[in-house]
Amino acid sequence: GENVEQHPSTLSVQEGDSAVIKCTYSDSASNYFPWYKQELGKGPQLIIDIRSNVGEKKDQRIAVTLNKTAKHFSLHITETQPEDSAVYFCAASFNDYKLSFGAGTTVTVRA
Amino acid sequence: DADVTQTPRNRITKTGKRIMLECSQTKGHDRMYWYRQDPGLGLQLIYYSFDVKDINKGEISDGYSVSRQAQAKFSLSLESAIPNQTALYFCATSDLQGDTQYFGPGTRLTVL
Repeated sequence: GENVEQHPSTLSVQEGDSAVIKCTYSDSASNYFPWYKQELGKGPQLIIDIRSNVGEKKDQRIAVTLNKTAKHFSLHITETQPEDSAVYFCAASFNDYKLSFGAGTTVTVRA
Repeated sequence: DADVTQTPRNRITKTGKRIMLECSQTKGHDRMYWYRQDPGLGLQLIYYSFDVKDINKGEISDGYSVSRQAQAKFSLSLESAIPNQTALYFCATSDLQGDTQYFGPGTRLTVL
C-alpha cells in the first residue's frame, strides 16, 4: 500500500516568516494530495489539495507544490500568523477516498 | 465541523468491555469513514462505507466492527476493548463526487 513520510515532525517559526512542510509518497499511482490542519481539540480540516496533473496551487498565504518524478509534495505557508499554529497532515490517494496520511507536523508560530 | 458529530467525546473504560462510538452527519454524504489517530502515526483508516449496504475494511480493522444504520449514522464498536486501543477516533464523511473528507471533533478513548 501507499506509504507517506512527512518532515519535519515539529517546526517553530517566527511570526511573519515562512513555513515549509515536505512529504514523500511511495505509490506512483497516487494522484490526489490533500493537506489537513488540525487545531487542538478538533478534527482535521482540509486547507488545500492538489492533483497530479497540476504542479502548483495557491490559496492566499498557502501553496502546495508537487513533483511527480521525485514523488514528493510540499506545503508552503507565507507570512505566518499565530493562528497558523496547529498540526498539519499531508495525505496521498490514488482513488480519492482511501487516504494515506503522513505522521503530522506540529507548527508553532512565535509572536 | 458541526455537521459531523461524534458521541461520546471522551470515554474511559476497562479491558474487556464492549464500547460503541457513534457518528452522525447532516451533510447528506454517502461515504463515511472511521479513523484512529495515535501520536506520531497520523490517521489510520479502520473502516469505510459507501452506502448503507456497503462496508469495507481499512488498514487496521482487527478488533473493530462497524454498523451503518442509516445514510447519516455510522457506528464503531470495540467488542472487547484492550489497552492498545487507547487513541483518538475520528469519523469523516465525503460525497460521491468530491474528494474532501469532513471530520468530526473526535472521541478520546482510554482503555485501562
